[in-house]
Amino acid sequence: GENVEQHPSTLSVQEGDSAVIKCTYSDSASNYFPWYKQELGKGPQLIIDIRSNVGEKKDQRIAVTLNKTAKHFSLHITETQPEDSAVYFCAAKGSGGSNYKLTFGKGTLLTVNP
Amino acid sequence: KAGVTQTPRYLIKTRGQQVTLSCSPISGHRSVSWYQQTPGQGLQFLFEYFSETQRNKGNFPGRFSGRQFSNSRSEMNVSTLELGDSALYLCASSLEAAGEQYFGPGTRLTVT
Repeated sequence: GENVEQHPSTLSVQEGDSAVIKCTYSDSASNYFPWYKQELGKGPQLIIDIRSNVGEKKDQRIAVTLNKTAKHFSLHITETQPEDSAVYFCAAKGSGGSNYKLTFGKGTLLTVNP
Repeated sequence: KAGVTQTPRYLIKTRGQQVTLSCSPISGHRSVSWYQQTPGQGLQFLFEYFSETQRNKGNFPGRFSGRQFSNSRSEMNVSTLELGDSALYLCASSLEAAGEQYFGPGTRLTVT
């Protein structure tokens, strides 16, 4: 089955700096890669996603890149703000059959210091 | 449009008991997936239902079961609770099986 590795497990940055979180996946059939933000006491919130026919996607201060050949994808947050502090999860999903499920990375605790 | 709702939000049970958790998906969404979240194991897939049929199942023992009703609402049941079942149980809904998943706030289950 799919295996998703996420790094780093913790990340501390100064307000205004950029933050980068990286994930690798094992199943070359995976074709959907969402990123979730989870704040304390809440469920994960979808913040951006990318499909395997696209190499990069941007939404304001957040961008995701995908390298299908290397089987890795990354989340980039620019001009970080204290409210960006949360746990971020990457995930991968296959294209059918038993692969119709999200496999998550272990999460990255991002702390943005004012 | 209302988001995914889960009830109850918090639950305390004793070892050996059983528990039923409920999830109401976003209106119009037909797929419901369940996940267990623990500090040690992270987010782990339990099962997915689409149009009242279980489409996918994760690697959990048979004590974990679920169902989906004709209005897409879903329930999961855990029988013979163990201490290790203490976790945040999350439900996510999507329009279709391959679509974007939106999570509810979760049910925090504590087994004593």
